[in-house]
Amino acid sequence: DTGVSQNPRHKITKRGQNVTFRCDPISEHNRLYWYRQTLGQGPEFLTYFQNEAQLEKSRLLSDRFSAERPKGSFSTLEIQRTEQGDSAMYLCASSPSGGVIDTQYFGPGTRLTVL
Amino acid sequence: TQLLEQSPQFLSIQEGENLTVYCNSSSVFSSLQWYRQEPGEGPVLLVTVVTGGEVKKLKRLTFQFGDARKDSSLHITAAQPGDTGLYLCAYGSGGSNYKLTFGKGTLLTVNP
Repeated sequence: DTGVSQNPRHKITKRGQNVTFRCDPISEHNRLYWYRQTLGQGPEFLTYFQNEAQLEKSRLLSDRFSAERPKGSFSTLEIQRTEQGDSAMYLCASSPSGGVIDTQYFGPGTRLTVL
Repeated sequence: TQLLEQSPQFLSIQEGENLTVYCNSSSVFSSLQWYRQEPGEGPVLLVTVVTGGEVKKLKRLTFQFGDARKDSSLHITAAQPGDTGLYLCAYGSGGSNYKLTFGKGTLLTVNP
């Protein structure tokens, strides 16, 4: 068990460019989450997958953001036409289903800087 | 969305000192979770408290859930530099409490 991995760890891009991040969850975890964390804040929920189905999207996820989990394993988060306000740490987490309380395991995050 | 207020926002202490950080709300929660996040890494779950008045210990860390389940505290005894990090409390909502809402955290620095 290697934990949740995210790539790249750091991304610097110019305003208006598109970026894509990848998350590989812990194997056999069928739930996957994306969060965004800005400086001085706790992580904020963006979206949630159960297997390949995207079951919830936050209002924070504007039309420029799209997340996929095509085979119920890894997931990608794409941001189109990036803006400086998109600069943040993007965190992925996974969890097994079932249980009264979800235990989420976080990856190391992808830090995005938009110039 | 219910608000979690964490205090203090920043705390800098010397190795060996004791400290307490707080997570408060006006809302009642079925459970609260505490995480520690080191620089450049994702949060790591420390504990989940479920029962009002519950006390859980994790080595030198003691977690307490308020009797009314509106607040929680984390006490660290004899802090060490390895305790340095951002301490976050969070509550879950939705089925299995999957949707986590975090406080802003307490940034702790333990100086050798």
